[in-house]
Parts: sequence; C-alpha cells; structure tokens
Amino acid sequence: DAKTTQPNSMESNEEEPVHLPCNHSTISGTDYIHWYRQLPSQGPEYVIHGLTSNVNNRMASLAIAEDRKSSTLILHRATLRDAAVYYCILRDSGAGSYQLTFGKGTKLSVIP
Amino acid sequence: DTAVSQTPKYLVTQMGNDKSIKCEQNLGHDTMYWYKQDSKKFLKIMFSYNNKELIINETVPNRFSPKSPDKAHLNLHINSLELGDSAVYFCASSLISGEYTDTQYFGPGTRLTVL
Repeated sequence: DAKTTQPNSMESNEEEPVHLPCNHSTISGTDYIHWYRQLPSQGPEYVIHGLTSNVNNRMASLAIAEDRKSSTLILHRATLRDAAVYYCILRDSGAGSYQLTFGKGTKLSVIP
Repeated sequence: DTAVSQTPKYLVTQMGNDKSIKCEQNLGHDTMYWYKQDSKKFLKIMFSYNNKELIINETVPNRFSPKSPDKAHLNLHINSLELGDSAVYFCASSLISGEYTDTQYFGPGTRLTVL
C-alpha cells in the first residue's frame, strides 16, 4: 500500500468544523483512500472511503484533490466524542488487498 | 449486539506462560484478522483468515498460532510468552476477502501484559 503523511496532532473547538489533511503524493490510479479512527481505548472504526469524487456520509465528508495527491477528512461539527486518532489509509484495488496498513495517524483533540 | 467481541479484555501473565485470546463475530463475515498495537501505538496486521483458511501471515514468531474453528471465530494462541508480547491485540472482520472497498470491523481489543 502506498504511503500517506498526516500531521501528528490537531486541535479543534467543539461544534466547529475540522479539516484533517492527508498527503499521498505517490498514490496510484487504483488506490482507494480510506479513513478510520480510533477512539481512546477502543478498536479502530471505519469513517469513509473514496476514489476520485468527494464523498459524504453520516459521519464525515471526504474531499479528494483533483490530482488525488491529497485528501481532507471533514468533520462538519466536532463533538467531544470525535476526539480520536484518525488514520488515512490507501488500499490498492488490485486483488489481495486484505489488510489495512496503518500509519501514525492524526490525534485530534476537541476543546469544550 | 456486539459485532466483534474479544475475550478477555485484559490479560496479565508471567513470562513463559501460554495464553489464548478468543474472537467472535456475529456479522456473517468471511474474513477475520488479528492486529497488534504496540506501546508506541502502531497497529500492524498479524494474520488473516478467509473461510477458515490462512491468507496472511506476516512476520510473526511461530509462538503465535491462530486457529479458526469456524467462520465466526478466530482465536489467537501464544506460547512461551515474552515481555515484548505485551501489547493490545485487536480482532477484526470483513465481509469480502481482499476487496479494496470492504470495511473492517474491529473488536474492543485485549490488553496483554507480560510480567
């Protein structure tokens, strides 16, 4: 899986939008961009994924740059429950992409 | 209902002992995984099973032996425990094996401490 780069940590005020960036300059045309998050003392959980177009779901939005070399996870209104480590992961659409390869992720702190 | 469950949640044991961690998923998924999260918080894949067959075996000491009695269960047995085995172990499952868009569902983790 191709490599991603994320800031080590970010802070946000409660009820404000949060933009979590991810750089993946070596992304290939067949790589999907996945985001997972890990709340304190819990297992990782899926947030969102996309290929080229921006994606929205009930948890977040994913904005993908036109050249696909970067993406941004958007939490529209941060809550205290969103404090977690957020992982940006690339998954090759080729056969056999079984495991998730986690990097260091971004630790998001939400200030009340 | 818990989708992916693990037992025990905490495991404290002495070096040299043998221990097992159990994992069960009630999602009807075909593929199950074991990940290890070390003290520096890095999460790494250890094993993956699809329909009870081993499909991934990363560079893990052969003291670690996964066992899948059926599709819903993937247990992890560890022989001769060492200090470096102390970590949090996560079980996960996914519906489709090797599918790049499939979602993995993780259990709550088992914190293993080897004294």
